Formats: sequence, C-alpha cells, structure tokens
Amino acid sequence: EDKVVQSPLSLVVHEGDTVTLNCSYEVTNFRSLLWYKQEKKAPTFLFMLTSSGIEKKSGRLSSILDKKELFSILNITATQTGDSAIYLCAVGGAGYALNFGKGTSLLVTP
Amino acid sequence: DVKVTQSSRYLVKRTGEKVFLECVQDMDHENMFWYRQDPGLGLRLIYFSYDVKMKEKGDIPEGYSVSREKKERFSLILESASTNQTSMYLCASSPGPGELFFGEGSRLTVL
Repeated sequence: EDKVVQSPLSLVVHEGDTVTLNCSYEVTNFRSLLWYKQEKKAPTFLFMLTSSGIEKKSGRLSSILDKKELFSILNITATQTGDSAIYLCAVGGAGYALNFGKGTSLLVTP
Repeated sequence: DVKVTQSSRYLVKRTGEKVFLECVQDMDHENMFWYRQDPGLGLRLIYFSYDVKMKEKGDIPEGYSVSREKKERFSLILESASTNQTSMYLCASSPGPGELFFGEGSRLTVL
C-alpha cells in the first residue's frame, strides 16, 4: 500500500526563522513528488520533483528529492507570517491520482 | 489560468438527504478527482475519472457515487448523507500524471 508520511505534523516558529518540513514515501512506480501550500481554501502548487538531487527554488522556498532514501524536504528561509499554512506533500505513482500525506501545519508568529 | 469551480462553498444538510456537489473545469483536462479533507487525516481520494463516463474508486468510496456526463463536469453524490460525511470536499483536475489543480472546496455539514 502506498504511503506518504509528513513530519512534523505541526510547528510554531518566530518570524525570521528557517524551517524544514519533511516528507517520506513508499510508492509503487514512483513518478513525482509535489508540494502544495493550503491556506483557508484550495491547495496551491509549489513544486514538483521528479529527479534526485536537483533543488527547486522559488524565492524563500526550496525543495529537494532523494529517490534513494525516499524522502523530500521543503525549506522556508526568513519565514513571514504569510507563510502560515498547511503544507501538503503528495506523491504520484502508477495511476493518475496523487497520494497525500496528512500535512504539516505551520504557524509563524510575529 | 486553470479554473476549477465548485458550485457550493458551504452546505448544511440533514441526515438522509441526497446531496450533489458539482465541479466544473475550463481547461479540457482528461482527469478529475474528488477528495475529502479532515483534520488529522489529510486528503483522501474518494473517486476519480479519467474520461467521460469512466470512473474509478479511490480509497474511501463507500457512501458516495460520481457522475461524469461531460468532460468539464464531475459530480459527487451522497445518496443518503450521514453525519460522518461532514467534511471539506475538494475537486481537482489534471491533464495527465502530475500536478492537480484544485477548486476552492465545498464545506459540507450534515446534521
């Protein structure tokens, strides 16, 4: 059975801190790993990773995939209160659907 | 931009009622999905469809059915709503394997 595990499940940090969110997976016929950010409504796409060792970067957010150890990390540097959200990790396998982890709830305090 | 529209943002229904949740996408995507999201459980796949009139069960299909009569529209049906179906329902579409594009969500409360 496919499995996606995110850690920690929740996190509280101060503005300016750097955070690292973790996602490990067991998936048959791995295709891709995706990160989403969810505030009050629809999840919004952050990154899609398919190859090991290649960092994807967007502003203060970056992510990398390790296909040998079956995990990914999402880094956020110089956090801001607007980064407060649920961060979802999802993995695509043999089918078209994505298998989601339970999410990491991040709260950034002023 | 891809737009996935869920017709109802908030619904309150009574136990035993039939409930329809509608989802429309405007990007000619082949694949459409219904997930439910609950605190502590994350997103769980209910059903998906890879073509008109085609459907596949996801991880938690019990108590639900779906309809896809047109490519752009995917409906989730609760034949007889129960309190344990109180949840946030998210519709998504995709052109193929990879990124899903989500709607705003429909928050259903069953009393």
